Formats: sequence, C-alpha cells, structure tokens
Amino acid sequence: AQSVTQLDSHVSVSEGTPVLLRCNYSSSYSPSLFWYVQHPNKGLQLLLKYTSAATLVKGINGFEAEFKKSETSFHLTKPSAHMSDAAEYFCVVSGVGGGSYIPTFGRGTSLIVHP
Amino acid sequence: DTAVSQTPKYLVTQMGNDKSIKCEQNLGHDTMYWYKQDSKKFLKIMFSYNNKELIINETVPNRFSPKSPDKAHLNLHINSLELGDSAVYFCASSRQYGEQFFGPGTRLTVL
Repeated sequence: AQSVTQLDSHVSVSEGTPVLLRCNYSSSYSPSLFWYVQHPNKGLQLLLKYTSAATLVKGINGFEAEFKKSETSFHLTKPSAHMSDAAEYFCVVSGVGGGSYIPTFGRGTSLIVHP
Repeated sequence: DTAVSQTPKYLVTQMGNDKSIKCEQNLGHDTMYWYKQDSKKFLKIMFSYNNKELIINETVPNRFSPKSPDKAHLNLHINSLELGDSAVYFCASSRQYGEQFFGPGTRLTVL
C-alpha cells in the first residue's frame, strides 16, 4: 500500500521569497516520486522526478526536491518565487505492486504568489 | 506535435445522454490512464491500460467504460450521464513505471 500527504492545501508567498511545498509519503516498495504543476485551465506538467538515483533532484523552472528516506519526505523548494509560479502542485508516489504501476496523487497545494 | 491530445476540450450535455471522450498519444508509450479532477482539484485515477490490457480499474460506476483500440488510443465512454459526472477528465500516458504525460483535459458539464 502507498499514500502521499501534502501537508498544506495553500501556500502564500511574496514574489522573490523562497518557496517550500511539503510532501510526505508511505510506500511498501522502493518508491518513485514526482512533482507535477498545473497552471489554471491547463493539464499537468512534470516538474521533477526521483527514481533512486541522486537524492537531490533538480527540475524545471528552478525547482528542486530532496528525497529523505528517514523522514519519508520529498519537499519541493525554489529559492525565489516568480508570479508565473502561481499554480496547483501535486506530489505523486508510485511503486510496483503486483507487476503494475500504481500512481497515487496527493490532494494538491495551491501556491499563491503576491507581488 | 501534441504529445497527448484529447477531444473534445469542452463537452456540455444533458442528464441521461451518452458521450465519449477520445485520447491519443504519439509518444510510443505502453500505458495510458484516465483521471477525473473535481472542483477541488482532487485527481482520482479511474482506469489504466498497459498494452491494451486493463490493469487498473478503480471504483467508478459501470456507466464509465474505457476502450483501447490500440496502444496509442484510450477512449472513455460514459452512459446515462449524471450531474455528479461534471468534472475535468484527463488522459495521460507513460512508459511502464515512468512519469506521466498529461493531455489538456476535457471539461464535462452535465445540465
């Protein structure tokens, strides 16, 4: 069994300040972890992924995430927020169970960026 | 070229009607998915096909039926539409165990 918890439903920051979106997971398997972004009225786009290589993963648009097995966390960060970062962010865990790929999505975190 | 495409983008229909949403991917992926996103942005996986074989079939009403004529297509048929079916439906594809590529979504409104 696996699950993912995004600890904040909304995060509000000012432009130019750091961003932290928190994600905790549980998995019976060695998980793959992903962050996706969804801008208003758009589909989801992959930001970054962890698949058991380097624990610090760099993604697009200056985002990065660190896989911490001891804390079962995969938090998303960015040093300086831009207005264009305002969107919905989803943390996803997947694992191989019964030979099938089973992605489990968090409930999403809405990032609000103030000028 | 669009990697994952869906048609139509918007679908407005009356209760009780039957409708279909089409999905096509040109990425050569083996696995395709359908998701439902509600008004609170929660994404629920509905179905997944791998090489035209159904591998995930979550608890959805049997009014929803996926059909995969080939690896590049996964269509969603919905019978006897209800008000609660109003949502945005996303198609996605991936290599097995890989990251997913999403279509632009189909906004279904049932009146």
